[in-house]
Amino acid sequence: EPEVTQTPSHQVTQMGQEVILRCVPISNHLYFYWYRQILGQKVEFLVSFYNNEISEKSEIFDDQFSVERPDGSNFTLKIRSTKLEDSAMYFCASKDSGTRSTDTQYFGPGTRLTVL
Amino acid sequence: QKEVEQDPGPLSVPEGAIVSLNCTYSNSAFQYFMWYRQYSRKGPELLMYTYSSGNKEDGRFTAQVDKSSKYISLFIRDSQPSDSATYLCAMSSGYSSASKIIFGSGTRLSIRP
Repeated sequence: EPEVTQTPSHQVTQMGQEVILRCVPISNHLYFYWYRQILGQKVEFLVSFYNNEISEKSEIFDDQFSVERPDGSNFTLKIRSTKLEDSAMYFCASKDSGTRSTDTQYFGPGTRLTVL
Repeated sequence: QKEVEQDPGPLSVPEGAIVSLNCTYSNSAFQYFMWYRQYSRKGPELLMYTYSSGNKEDGRFTAQVDKSSKYISLFIRDSQPSDSATYLCAMSSGYSSASKIIFGSGTRLSIRP
């Protein structure tokens, strides 16, 4: 069964460093998302991406964050200068064409980001 | 008022019991309702998906949506120890095809053998 994959599974970085989290969405999906989950808290929406541009972003997704689909298969989240409070699980999700019967997002296993 | 409210539990029941998990929401624009299961330090796994009000059954799982009360439920019949996980209710408006999902805080469920 096709699935969303993410790399790395765990990333440790120093505060102020840049990190890039990578995702390979399900191959025929058109909509891509990033969510994050701080330990013990709910899963929160960060950004949605369609047709090579951001569709919507949350207030968490400030100028330190950016997303890109560099090559038609990967979908990346870049954090330019990490802060301690960026430590969280980051989940990538993808969705099919968005018709009523298939309007569901499928999540990857997540990347655990630890900022020291 | 929070957009989506879910009792965090934990909820512990004996194997074979019927489990009832619930969420309430405040945004009447929500049209799509989902239940995800999440194991510790893993990604959410889609269990059930419903559009608008009504019931949907899939094996031991039944999802129920009551839009008039802004209340959704997930029932698990003949619960198994492998059902032990955190269950997240989730919903979206579907106003745009890229609609974000809003999650509840999750209910931690433990099935005792």
